[in-house]
This record gives sequence, structure tokens and C-alpha cells, in this order.
Amino acid sequence: DTAVSQTPKYLVTQMGNDKSIKCEQNLGHDTMYWYKQDSKKFLKIMFSYNNKELIINETVPNRFSPKSPDKAHLNLHINSLELGDSAVYFCASSPGEAGRTEAFFGQGTRLTVV
Amino acid sequence: QKEVEQDPGPLSVPEGAIVSLNCTYSNSAFQYFMWYRQYSRKGPELLMYTYSSGNKEDGRFTAQVDKSSKYISLFIRDSQPSDSATYLCAMRFQAGTALIFGKGTTLSVSS
Repeated sequence: DTAVSQTPKYLVTQMGNDKSIKCEQNLGHDTMYWYKQDSKKFLKIMFSYNNKELIINETVPNRFSPKSPDKAHLNLHINSLELGDSAVYFCASSPGEAGRTEAFFGQGTRLTVV
Repeated sequence: QKEVEQDPGPLSVPEGAIVSLNCTYSNSAFQYFMWYRQYSRKGPELLMYTYSSGNKEDGRFTAQVDKSSKYISLFIRDSQPSDSATYLCAMRFQAGTALIFGKGTTLSVSS
């Protein structure tokens, strides 16, 4: 049974489109995150939510908007996609105290903008 | 100077070797230190988690944190081909702050 699941796993889309990536965790964790891993494998946090509240919002274009309908879900919506948005996006979750440690990562969503 | 420095490798060792992976950092305010393993086309997997200085052992893995030198290490004993992956160090200042990752070291263990 998958702990942190992301959909879709692969996403190929054209510049200018709007797309969403969904994330769900079945671990009962309080905190969820979105990370971006670029072509050089560098992993950088984008957002963090604790109990549906935004607690970390790194310098990310406002074309990226996270939405947490409940504690188990954190979705990422991206408007007006650009070539530079091509990357692997990872969702993660952690228990207890907000931001203590990212215990579980999803398998990633490989986004390609053409 | 980047906040967290990690030699990307690649590092190639024979099966059974002891592997040493390292990261240095510049900000002494980091308190939480982690090591992750990432297989190709998979998400990172938490291996070790340490708060402040000291050593932590889990099976074949040992994590060390030396805050005075701003240096953390991961040792892998009796390395196996299944250990072939990218190893990422990560650290944060306090709970609720962003986790800062190193760029990862690619390890290859040959049988």
C-alpha cells in the first residue's frame, strides 16, 4: 500500500497550458511538502503545509499554487507553463512537529514542457 | 559559497568496501541532519536522521555530525551492489524551516 502517491507519474504538455499534480498520503502525517528536482538532480523545497495551513513558501513564481483540501492531500497547480518548469516534482510528508523531517517521498512526477 | 556542499562523484567501489560520503556546510545554525538514498527515477528515501552532533548507527550505516567542523558523514560498511544510488545529505535550522539539500553523490558498487 503506497504511503505517498502522486499522479500523474509523467506529464508532457505544451507551453502556456495549465496543469495539476495530485498528492495523497495515507500515513496520517500532519505536514506535506512539494519539492522540485532539476535536471542536475538538485532538490529544492517549494511549499510546505501543516494541517492544511501554508508554513513554508519559498521563492516560487506565483504561477505555482498549492492547494490542500484536507490533511491527506496536497495538490500543485501550475498556470501558464514555461520550458523552465520541466523537472521532477516530488511530494513528501512527515509526522508530528511541523517540518521535523521529511520521512516519506512520493515517486515523483516528471513534467516535460515542450 | 553554497550553504551545503557535497561532492557529486561518481564514486565507484568494489563490493564489500567501506564507503565514506561527506557534506560540509557553512551555517552553524543547522541543527537537524539527514541522509537520503535515491535510486534512479525514484523518490528520496530517508536513511538516517540526527539532531545536533554525534553518531548514529543503523545496521551497515553510520551517520556522524561534527558541528564544530561543520561536517557530516555517512559510512556504509560491507557495501553491496544494491547500495548503488545517489546519496543526498540534507539539513535544516529548526522545525518548520526549509530542508536544504546537497547536490548528491552518485555511488556505484560493483560485484
